[in-house]
Amino acid sequence: DSGVTQTPKHLITATGQRVTLRCSPRSGDLSVYWYQQSLDQGLQFLIQYYNGEERAKGNILERFSAQQFPDLHSELNLSSLELGDSALYFCASSVGGTGNEQFFGPGTRLTVL
Amino acid sequence: QQPVQSPQAVILREGEDAVINCSSSKALYSVHWYRQKHGEAPVFLMILLKGGEQKGHDKISASFNEKKQQSSLYLTASQLSYSGTYFCGTELAGAGSYQLTFGKGTKLSVIP
Repeated sequence: DSGVTQTPKHLITATGQRVTLRCSPRSGDLSVYWYQQSLDQGLQFLIQYYNGEERAKGNILERFSAQQFPDLHSELNLSSLELGDSALYFCASSVGGTGNEQFFGPGTRLTVL
Repeated sequence: QQPVQSPQAVILREGEDAVINCSSSKALYSVHWYRQKHGEAPVFLMILLKGGEQKGHDKISASFNEKKQQSSLYLTASQLSYSGTYFCGTELAGAGSYQLTFGKGTKLSVIP
């Protein structure tokens, strides 16, 4: 158990819908990262927040957005969902940013029908 | 920018050794190694920072050649529990570089 929690574990929805994925980092960790993992793309970095501020942006679509709240939990919002958005979404946390090990949550499996 | 891992897959018998390579075309600040078992989250193995360091973790060790921007993960006397997909993640050198970019992974299967 990494100490990072993610909800929900599974999510099934239809194309065009909007969903919110939630992540609580390990106690004391200030950084939260979001990754998308699909079979053909591997682990893709989406976005990072550090203590409430956006620090780095990767291959995140405009339909996706995220935020980190004052209590350091984070939410990833996915809208206008397409079939291709079906994937495992991982949240990870670390104490700081660069050069720190990341602890991954169990993931949310999103299925878009 | 995505690091290149090789080999893509390897099958070992228990007790055999393996090397997984990770290379980048850009200057690196750090290389991270993770192992992911099927249906589970990636688990941290080790980080190597620029400076050509080498680290060990039980029978798993790694090196980072800063000149070549390459890292290698060494698994010695492999055990069944080593099976999984190994990912290297790289952070580019330069101020404000917080992004970890993962390679496509190396699938390691250890058989009795």
